[in-house]
Amino acid sequence: DQQVKQNSPSLSVQEGRISILNCDYTNSMFDYFLWYKKYPAEGPTFLISISSIKDKNEDGRFTVFLNKSAKHLSLHIVPSQPGDSAVYFCAASPGTASKLTFGTGTRLQVTL
Amino acid sequence: KAGVTQTPRYLIKTRGQQVTLSCSPISGHRSVSWYQQTPGQGLQFLFEYFSETQRNKGNFPGRFSGRQFSNSRSEMNVSTLELGDSALYLCASSQTGWANYGYTFGSGTRLTVV
Repeated sequence: DQQVKQNSPSLSVQEGRISILNCDYTNSMFDYFLWYKKYPAEGPTFLISISSIKDKNEDGRFTVFLNKSAKHLSLHIVPSQPGDSAVYFCAASPGTASKLTFGTGTRLQVTL
Repeated sequence: KAGVTQTPRYLIKTRGQQVTLSCSPISGHRSVSWYQQTPGQGLQFLFEYFSETQRNKGNFPGRFSGRQFSNSRSEMNVSTLELGDSALYLCASSQTGWANYGYTFGSGTRLTVV
């Protein structure tokens, strides 16, 4: 049972444009959400997070939106840069529990 | 500040053998979590240790075990290796183990079972 889903395995975006990565979840106990970026042969790197008490969080070029009623979150990258090309994972946690449930990832390719 | 260190980086083992992987967390971090990454299943939570005690456990068989030492370093052991155990094993350290405090991942140990 996939509790966190990233339905798009890959996404290609031109440099300078917006990249939108989507994530859906089914477990209503999740109340903290994170996005990680992963390059080959490296561990995931934390990008941005959001608590369920918010619907938006921004950090530079990265913005995460949370729609609790739809159990949906998205990561917006504006403007996209070639260095953003990586696999992006969303993850969810029931707040103070010490466990992350990850989606299967979306491979983002930013082309020149 | 040093990051999370996992050793070894690569490992090849034969089916039926056992293996021990090591993780040194960031200094001051008391929580260490382990994850398995495979192409088919993505990143799956194995277990988390906090102050030498297993605090949370995922849905893996008993062949997967771990421990944490007083200096917060952690080891993960897999006994009676199966071909399906081939994966990237990642550990993540955190001050508290709670998601809102953040996790820092190591680069992983790539285990190949032949």
